[in-house]
Amino acid sequence: AQSVAQPEDQVNVAEGNPLTVKCTYSVSGNPYLFWYVQYPNRGLQFLLKYITGDNLVKGSYGFEAEFNKSQTSFHLKKPSALVSDSALYFCAVRPVYGQNFVFGPGTRLSVLP
Amino acid sequence: GAGVSQSPRYKVAKRGQDVALRCDPISGHVSLFWYQQALGQGPEFLTYFQNEAQLDKSGLPSDRFFAERPEGSVSTLKIQRTQQEDSAVYLCASSPGGTGNTIYFGEGSWLTVV
Repeated sequence: AQSVAQPEDQVNVAEGNPLTVKCTYSVSGNPYLFWYVQYPNRGLQFLLKYITGDNLVKGSYGFEAEFNKSQTSFHLKKPSALVSDSALYFCAVRPVYGQNFVFGPGTRLSVLP
Repeated sequence: GAGVSQSPRYKVAKRGQDVALRCDPISGHVSLFWYQQALGQGPEFLTYFQNEAQLDKSGLPSDRFFAERPEGSVSTLKIQRTQQEDSAVYLCASSPGGTGNTIYFGEGSWLTVV
């Protein structure tokens, strides 16, 4: 069965500093990997995904993520954090031969002015 | 419509009451998913439709939960005899189908059982 771990419940970073939100996964076969963001009282918004090809993928709002197959990780990064990036971030995995998306428990990002 | 639409946005139900939550997916999207999200946690899979066929309902927590998508478009999630542990946000998502496609979420239906 597939699973997703986000080892940090909370990440705090100062505005303008780089940020990293960590994600590791377990899945049979090759995965499709996704990051979503959730603002208060809202649904999940798609940020970026890895399907195949270049291990570094770029997404919305300046976010990027790096797929590392040997470490089974897909960490989300941004070079310079904004206060408006403060939200709940979810990593998700979908096996290549499957339909269901499995989500991690989420990481709350707080960007301090 | 432009996005996934869910209604009602907020529902307060008395314990034992039946509720119905509606999802209107993005036009033309073949795949439709229902997720349950408890406060401060990640979404948990409930069920999946491809067109009108319910291909996976392994996440439905009990036989009080029932979902349908009779014409392959709008879907309804029904919860019978609601219990307090059913209080959660119910998220609907849709996708064009096919491998590797992104799923797009609605704003969710917030259910509180009192």
